[in-house]
Amino acid sequence: EAQVTQNPRYLITVTGKKLTVTCSQNMNHEYMSWYRQDPGLGLRQIYYSMNVEVTDKGDVPEGYKVSRKEKRNFPLILESPSPNQTSLYFCASSDSAGDYNEQFFGPGTRLTVL
Amino acid sequence: GQNIDQPTEMTATEGAIVQINCTYQTSGFNGLFWYQQHAGEAPTFLSYNVLDGLEEKGRFSSFLSRSKGYSYLLLKELQMKDSASYLCAVRDSNYQLIWGAGTKLIIKP
Repeated sequence: EAQVTQNPRYLITVTGKKLTVTCSQNMNHEYMSWYRQDPGLGLRQIYYSMNVEVTDKGDVPEGYKVSRKEKRNFPLILESPSPNQTSLYFCASSDSAGDYNEQFFGPGTRLTVL
Repeated sequence: GQNIDQPTEMTATEGAIVQINCTYQTSGFNGLFWYQQHAGEAPTFLSYNVLDGLEEKGRFSSFLSRSKGYSYLLLKELQMKDSASYLCAVRDSNYQLIWGAGTKLIIKP
């Protein structure tokens, strides 16, 4: 089954404790992206990747890191989480950034930073 | 700056028709998407418009006017399962998606 998976689905952590949210897709998509979704603000892009070893900042990259060592994986790293990073996070992938290409979303990771 | 505007919330009756509007101001335009998102779930793709006009897909249709920076999503024969948030997103000149905050649609019996 074609899908985007994220782990963990739920995470409660404390300020400053490094964490990684994994994202994996099995559709051989070049383009992958991380979003956070907060009430009233809609989806905001954190980082995106056009292909392996190519990553770029989105609208809200501060406090986050990503890597793209393999085509299928795009982990999101919070080196020192803070309470303002409490949010719902989605990973998404698509065939390429251009033309008609819908984004497929993972199930989401709900993160709470205390 | 770039901006997508949608109503925050709408209410409609089961079996009726509802139109959700989206206006946008972006740096360039390379297509407009509509996604559906049920509470606590991931967004799922509904429609894509890049040329002016109406795209119909079953009970759902999407319209685009590039000159007016305007789109709408039309839902016919509303069902209770259509209760969800509807997200409008525009791809800008850098091929990045700019998202609206979403419209929460409440369907009443």
